[in-house]
Amino acid sequence: NAGVTQTPKFQVLKTGQSMTLQCAQDMNHEYMSWYRQDPGMGLRLIHYSVGAGITDQGEVPNGYNVSRSTTEDFPLRLLSAAPSQTSVYFCASSYKDIVSSNTGELFFGEGSRLTVL
Amino acid sequence: AQSVTQPDIHITVSEGASLELRCNYSYGATPYLFWYVQSPGQGLQLLLKYFSGDTLVQGIKGFEAEFKRSQSSFNLRKPSVHWSDAAEYFCALRPRNAGNMLTFGGGTRLMVKP
Repeated sequence: NAGVTQTPKFQVLKTGQSMTLQCAQDMNHEYMSWYRQDPGMGLRLIHYSVGAGITDQGEVPNGYNVSRSTTEDFPLRLLSAAPSQTSVYFCASSYKDIVSSNTGELFFGEGSRLTVL
Repeated sequence: AQSVTQPDIHITVSEGASLELRCNYSYGATPYLFWYVQSPGQGLQLLLKYFSGDTLVQGIKGFEAEFKRSQSSFNLRKPSVHWSDAAEYFCALRPRNAGNMLTFGGGTRLMVKP
């Protein structure tokens, strides 16, 4: 089973460049989200989606855009990269409510390490 | 707003020794609580969760955690650590009405001495 697949795994950008981090899941999960991981700060939610066509902001949305045209895909776009966006990015998916479905689990991809020079 | 604190950034234990990782939270009611583990170069994997009921919950890989409402804590324990347990551990909280949005602690990196 592929689970949650993120590409690329590594990327180096120059300040001002744009790029898209791809995320795909094959578990038919309604919910998808993007987190960034920074040392000592744990994971912080950037954007999330509860279904195709529906997205919303998380804790740290500035500088990032998302869209959800299909259930499977949830790309994260950096329109003008800044050094402060140097981080490891994780995509996660789950059933619409991890409590009522009693799974309790977000399924994470392996991460994308982004460096902005 | 809610928050999760993991007071220990790094912990080193000897193989075979017991382990306790601390997690404290701030939230106005009883939250849903989780522990995730991240092995090097990997994504996060769920170890265990607390929704309600028995305050001692069992997870995978021999881990357990105890919810203590009076102390706002959800500490993770393992009676005998194996070298393969070396990883980073994250405590997380989900408020009662917040969809699937988890608030994570800063993480504790566990190193295991042979």
